[in-house]
Amino acid sequence: AQSVTQLDSQVPVFEEAPVELRCNYSSSVSVYLFWYVQYPNQGLQLLLKYLSGSTLVKGINGFEAEFNKSQTSFHLRKPSVHISDTAEYFCAVSRTGGGNKLTFGTGTQLKVEL
Amino acid sequence: NAGVTQTPKFRVLKTGQSMTLLCAQDMNHEYMYWYRQDPGMGLRLIHYSVGEGTTAKGEVPDGYNVSRLKKQNFLLGLESAAPSQTSVYFCASSRQTGVNTEAFFGQGTRLTVV
Repeated sequence: AQSVTQLDSQVPVFEEAPVELRCNYSSSVSVYLFWYVQYPNQGLQLLLKYLSGSTLVKGINGFEAEFNKSQTSFHLRKPSVHISDTAEYFCAVSRTGGGNKLTFGTGTQLKVEL
Repeated sequence: NAGVTQTPKFRVLKTGQSMTLLCAQDMNHEYMYWYRQDPGMGLRLIHYSVGEGTTAKGEVPDGYNVSRLKKQNFLLGLESAAPSQTSVYFCASSRQTGVNTEAFFGQGTRLTVV
């Protein structure tokens, strides 16, 4: 079985400041890694994914994440946030060849302030 | 292109009532999923389907039933609703495993059981 830990339930940050949202996972098998964003009263939208290859993955809206196998981490970063980035962010994993069933973390609420 | 559409968007049920949530996707995806989202718990998989006529249990299947009579539709049923089933329900779909593994989510159904 897989598990995902997002230690920070809330992250406040000022506009134009950098941000890092942390994600650690546990799995005995190879996994794919994802970050999803959920805006208020919306569904989930894929930000980026790591399937294989380069460990630095770039996504939409200027976000990027780095896969670190030795630390079992997949932290999400953005060098300069905007008010519109205020949302909840979910890290998720799925077992390779496991039918795309996602195991989600508990989410991190990013609040960008002026 | 509508993607994944869920109906209804909101519903209030009395304890013991039954209802069916409908999920429809127009992307010809093989896999479909039902998740529930509760505060502080992220999304948890209820049931999923890997193709027309097939269903399987996820992490939290108790109290729910599903059917996949047509490839494009995935129904989630509550036979006797309980207050513990108050949640936001998300349907998702994806292709079979491959390099473009990504789950597409609907907008959610907010269900309140009183």
